[in-house]
Amino acid sequence: DSGVTQTPKHLITATGQRVTLRCSPRSGDLSVYWYQQSLDQGLQFLIQYYNGEERAKGNILERFSAQQFPDLHSELNLSSLELGDSALYFCASSVDSRYEQYFGPGTRLTVT
Amino acid sequence: AQTVTQSQPEMSVQEAETVTLSCTYDTSENNYYLFWYKQPPSRQMILVIRQEAYKQQNATENRFSVNFQKAAKSFSLKISDSQLGDTAMYFCAFMKHNQGAQKLVFGQGTRLTINP
Repeated sequence: DSGVTQTPKHLITATGQRVTLRCSPRSGDLSVYWYQQSLDQGLQFLIQYYNGEERAKGNILERFSAQQFPDLHSELNLSSLELGDSALYFCASSVDSRYEQYFGPGTRLTVT
Repeated sequence: AQTVTQSQPEMSVQEAETVTLSCTYDTSENNYYLFWYKQPPSRQMILVIRQEAYKQQNATENRFSVNFQKAAKSFSLKISDSQLGDTAMYFCAFMKHNQGAQKLVFGQGTRLTINP
């Protein structure tokens, strides 16, 4: 157990819908990262937050957004969902950006 | 941009054997970190080992060790006395040494099967 929690574990929804994925980092970690793992794209970095502020952005679609709250938990919002958004979404956390990242168990999103 | 390449999509060895997984990367950075993560069938991403580029000594964690060749931009993972529980996807990952903005760049992974 990495200490990073993610909810829900599984999510099945229809195209065009909007979902919110939630992540709680390890105690004491200020940085939160979101990654997408799909069969065709592999593991891709989406976005990083540090102590509530956005720090880095990867190939995150405009339909996706995220935020980190004062209690340091983070949410990833995915809207206007398409079939291609079906993937495993991981949250990771670290003490700060110089240290290794610990991953949560992931949320498996299926868009039908 | 950094890229990470794992040239072995799949490998298979017998239990108790030693296996080496290959990883090469491309970067113009001088300070960075390299990692191996393991993803078993449960899909959890588990950190196996970490190497700082400024350290000449290769990292070791129990049965896991790396061969870090900075000039060649190579970072292989050796698993000694392999066990059935080592069966997993293994990802090599690169991270710049940079305060603030940070991300892991992953290779495509190597599927390792340990046979009884």
